[in-house]
Amino acid sequence: AAGVIQSPRHLIKEKRETATLKCYPIPRHDTVYWYQQGPGQDPQFLISFYEKMQSDKGSIPDRFSAQQFSDYHSELNMSSLELGDSALYFCASSVGTGVTEAFFGQGTRLTVV
Amino acid sequence: QQQVKQSPQSLIVQKGGISIINCAYENTAFDYFPWYQQFPGKGPALLIAIRPDVSEKKEGRFTISFNKSAKQFSLHIMDSQPGDSATYFCAARGDRGKLIFGQGTELSVKP
Repeated sequence: AAGVIQSPRHLIKEKRETATLKCYPIPRHDTVYWYQQGPGQDPQFLISFYEKMQSDKGSIPDRFSAQQFSDYHSELNMSSLELGDSALYFCASSVGTGVTEAFFGQGTRLTVV
Repeated sequence: QQQVKQSPQSLIVQKGGISIINCAYENTAFDYFPWYQQFPGKGPALLIAIRPDVSEKKEGRFTISFNKSAKQFSLHIMDSQPGDSATYFCAARGDRGKLIFGQGTELSVKP
């Protein structure tokens, strides 16, 4: 069965650089969620999209932005990267918001040096 | 403020034993309570989930017990195996589908 695809799997950036993370949801899933997981931490909700519109916003820094495209894939754009942005970034997808289970991708490990 | 509190932080169980992880929540508007299993460097994988109108759900060796009045739920892993060694997260689903996670439990099953 198709799963949530995230790319790249690993990314190394320097401070103040920008990064773009991509998420391809499970086919026919119209909702995408982004989470950030620091070392030894639980995943923290960043932002979500339903039918290409922002659905909810969590603890996402103003330096980050995201969008969902017409094919339902989503991109998380991160600018002015800081050392503290180093984390695992997960994308999850579902059908609707709060209707079905959310399935997670394998994540992108971002390291800021 | 942690809306979902999980304990213990780490757990060591002998092979064949029962692993029990507990969670408590505050927001009575949560409508769905999943458990995720996560291996190092991997994404959380849905293990089992329950809705608040059900007191228990069992799938194979995994059972969720849910106490709505106490706002608590727990995961029981029967006949624990070394391959179950992973980090387990409870979660609660809030409005618009976002998940609030517990702090995680690192389970180690000794052979």
